[in-house]
Amino acid sequence: EAGVTQFPSHSVIEKGQTVTLRCDPISGHDNLYWYRRVMGKEIKFLLHFVKESKQDESGMPNNRFLAERTGGTYSTLKVQPAELEDSGVYFCASSRLAGALPPSFGPGTRLTVL
Amino acid sequence: GNSVTQMEGPVTLSEEAFLTINCTYTATGYPSLFWYVQYPGEGLQLLLKATKADDKGSNKGFEATYRKETTSFHLEKGSVQVSDSAVYFCALSERDGGATNKLIFGTGTLLAVQP
Repeated sequence: EAGVTQFPSHSVIEKGQTVTLRCDPISGHDNLYWYRRVMGKEIKFLLHFVKESKQDESGMPNNRFLAERTGGTYSTLKVQPAELEDSGVYFCASSRLAGALPPSFGPGTRLTVL
Repeated sequence: GNSVTQMEGPVTLSEEAFLTINCTYTATGYPSLFWYVQYPGEGLQLLLKATKADDKGSNKGFEATYRKETTSFHLEKGSVQVSDSAVYFCALSERDGGATNKLIFGTGTLLAVQP
């Protein structure tokens, strides 16, 4: 079984630019989560999809962040416009059952905003 | 709200030394507790878990016991190896009344094991 994959592994952009991160969950996993670790701090929950629907987006920091999961397969997280404080590692995770723990995590995308 | 506090690093040890990474938590209800590990250049991997009080999770020589009376879940290993060098995250589950089981993480502890 292939694991959760994320693309790109590393992105360097300038403040004000747009970046789109992609996550491919494990096949058959309806539940998809985004987390991020900023500035070496704790990893924080961003949002949870069940198939294509947003179950919980309480962790999204502001309206510069837009997550989508069209068709209930892969997901994208767009940051527009990017700010310096958005730098960090963005993790995606997935699970088969609703609310099942623990989810399987991907390798993360390291975002650097200059 | 719920939170996890773990000791700050970096922790630097010699090979075969004993390891303890402290983790305490604040939670309502009865969360499950986890240790995750991130090796250099890799993603988060579940190391071990415990779902109720007095449970002991173990894997790869690492152990942690769910202590409700002290709200702790300290990670221990009797003899570390260079290959254990990584960042270790303590986490708890938080069910918000809906179908989302969020994970609440600590800040991570960098472990560096020297030969």
